[in-house]
Amino acid sequence: QKEVEQNSGPLSVPEGAIASLNCTYSDRVSQSFFWYRQYSGKSPELIMSIYSNGDKEDGRFTAQLNKASQYVSLLIRDSQPSDSATYLCAVKYLAAGNKLTFGGGTRVLVKP
Amino acid sequence: EPEVTQTPSHQVTQMGQEVILRCVPISNHLYFYWYRQILGQKVEFLVSFYNNEISEKSEIFDDQFSVERPDGSNFTLKIRSTKLEDSAMYFCARAIEAFFGQGTRLTVV
Repeated sequence: QKEVEQNSGPLSVPEGAIASLNCTYSDRVSQSFFWYRQYSGKSPELIMSIYSNGDKEDGRFTAQLNKASQYVSLLIRDSQPSDSATYLCAVKYLAAGNKLTFGGGTRVLVKP
Repeated sequence: EPEVTQTPSHQVTQMGQEVILRCVPISNHLYFYWYRQILGQKVEFLVSFYNNEISEKSEIFDDQFSVERPDGSNFTLKIRSTKLEDSAMYFCARAIEAFFGQGTRLTVV
């Protein structure tokens, strides 16, 4: 059974600070990794994808992938109250077709 | 603008009734998916559709579920005899990266 694990939170972050979210996955042979933001009652919105080891930056977001340790993380710099949401990690496992396996999400609260 | 448009946004149905959820892609793509999310739980894969055929389905996607592309563009997810535990948000998504529609909230009473 392929699993994706996240700390459910809430992760409370002061406005302007860095929010750091982690995600671990169960199978070393994994292809693709995705971070989504989900506001309450809304659909997930893709923020970042990352496919190879290292860092990938997009605006205030940085995704970090470490395949040897089987974790992927998301950093949110200069956190804003509008960043308050649940962040979902998803993994496309190589041996599991073309579907995504989602973690349970980390709830982030950015306090002004 | 969403990648796909879903209707209805909210559906309330009685247990045992059939429901049809609809998804309209904005543009032509090969891969489409249905996922669901029970309140407070993980997003779960239901079924994938590639080149107008089911390519993969989960153990959740039993005989009560079916998916079609009746006119070559719109997708439908049908639940034949709804159960209380089918209450969830149902998302249509395009592409492997899962660009989601706005979802249909299904409430079975």
